[in-house]
Amino acid sequence: AQSVAQPEDQVNVAEGNPLTVKCTYSVSGNPYLFWYVQYPNRGLQFLLKYITGDNLVKGSYGFEAEFNKSQTSFHLKKPSALVSDSALYFCAVSHTSGGSYIPTFGRGTSLIVHP
Amino acid sequence: AAGVIQSPRHLIKEKRETATLKCYPIPRHDTVYWYQQGPGQDPQFLISFYEKMQSDKGSIPDRFSAQQFSDYHSELNMSSLELGDSALYFCASSLPNGGLPWWGYTFGSGTRLTVV
Repeated sequence: AQSVAQPEDQVNVAEGNPLTVKCTYSVSGNPYLFWYVQYPNRGLQFLLKYITGDNLVKGSYGFEAEFNKSQTSFHLKKPSALVSDSALYFCAVSHTSGGSYIPTFGRGTSLIVHP
Repeated sequence: AAGVIQSPRHLIKEKRETATLKCYPIPRHDTVYWYQQGPGQDPQFLISFYEKMQSDKGSIPDRFSAQQFSDYHSELNMSSLELGDSALYFCASSLPNGGLPWWGYTFGSGTRLTVV
């Protein structure tokens, strides 16, 4: 079984400051890891993914995430937050074994960026 | 660029009624997934289709059924609706996932179903 934990329901950060949204995962086999963002009344938008290769992954809107195999983490980061980054962020994991790539989503973390 | 289209955007039904949600994937995407997201919850996978055949099944209730048509659009049919079915239902599409690598979904904006 695969699972994702997003330990923070909400993250508050001031505009211009760096932000981190945490995600840890559990899978059998090698993980595929994803971050999605959801704005109010909108669909989930793909931000970035880790499949293989460099542990630091760069994605849309200046976001990046670092894959840490030993800590089974895939934290989302941005060097300088914008008010427009305020949204709900979901981490998702799927795995390479068993033939099914359907991802499991975390509970989501609400990011609030204050002006 | 074309996105995943879902209809209707909002739907209000009474208990024990039926509902049909529609999903039109991105052109050339032949894999469709359905997710249910309850209030304040993470998206839960319901069911997926690849080339008009069910490819994976998640936590879809027996009261629900789905199919994918020849034009690759998909419909989620929900019967004997319960109050707990009130949720945002997302459809997503992707390129074929029969092999590696798998690049992720493109989601629609969802259908908000309210059962009263």
